[in-house]
Amino acid sequence: EPEVTQTPSHQVTQMGQEVILRCVPISNHLYFYWYRQILGQKVEFLVSFYNNEISEKSEIFDDQFSVERPDGSNFTLKIRSTKLEDSAMYFCASSEETSREQFFGPGTRLTVL
Amino acid sequence: SQQGEEDPQALSIQEGENATMNCSYKTSINNLQWYRQNSGRGLVHLILIRSNEREKHSGRLRVTLDTSKKSSSLLITASRAADTASYFCATDAIGGRRALTFGSGTRLQVQP
Repeated sequence: EPEVTQTPSHQVTQMGQEVILRCVPISNHLYFYWYRQILGQKVEFLVSFYNNEISEKSEIFDDQFSVERPDGSNFTLKIRSTKLEDSAMYFCASSEETSREQFFGPGTRLTVL
Repeated sequence: SQQGEEDPQALSIQEGENATMNCSYKTSINNLQWYRQNSGRGLVHLILIRSNEREKHSGRLRVTLDTSKKSSSLLITASRAADTASYFCATDAIGGRRALTFGSGTRLQVQP
């Protein structure tokens, strides 16, 4: 069964450094999403991406965040200058164009020291 | 309560029993989805129910939706130890938005 994959599974970085989290969505899906879950808190929406552009973003998704589809399979989330409060589990998800069901990857645990 | 609040927060049952979890939300929705999350792992999609549907089944899962009360329930019948996980409801609002708003989740413990 096709699934969303994410790399790395765990990323440790120093405050102020740039990180890139990578995702491979399900191949026939056209909508891509990033969510995050701070330890012990709710899953929060960050951004959605469709047709090579951001379709929605939350207040959390400020100028330090960016997304990109660099090729036909990868979808990335870049955090330019990480802060301690960016430590969280980051989930990528994807969905078909005509369905609202979102399928999530296993997540990348980001630890900012 | 916030958009997408589940209750109870925690539920412990014996294997073979049924587990019922509830979710309440505040704004009008397009769809409501239920997800499962094993400790520290990803979110597994369980079922989606549309705002014009009242009940949906998938295997041992039964989901109901009452839009007049802005609530949903997830019933897992004949529970198994492997059902031990956190369960979340997530809603997407009316209109073109696809962003999901998640609840706090119910932690289900099924004792073998």
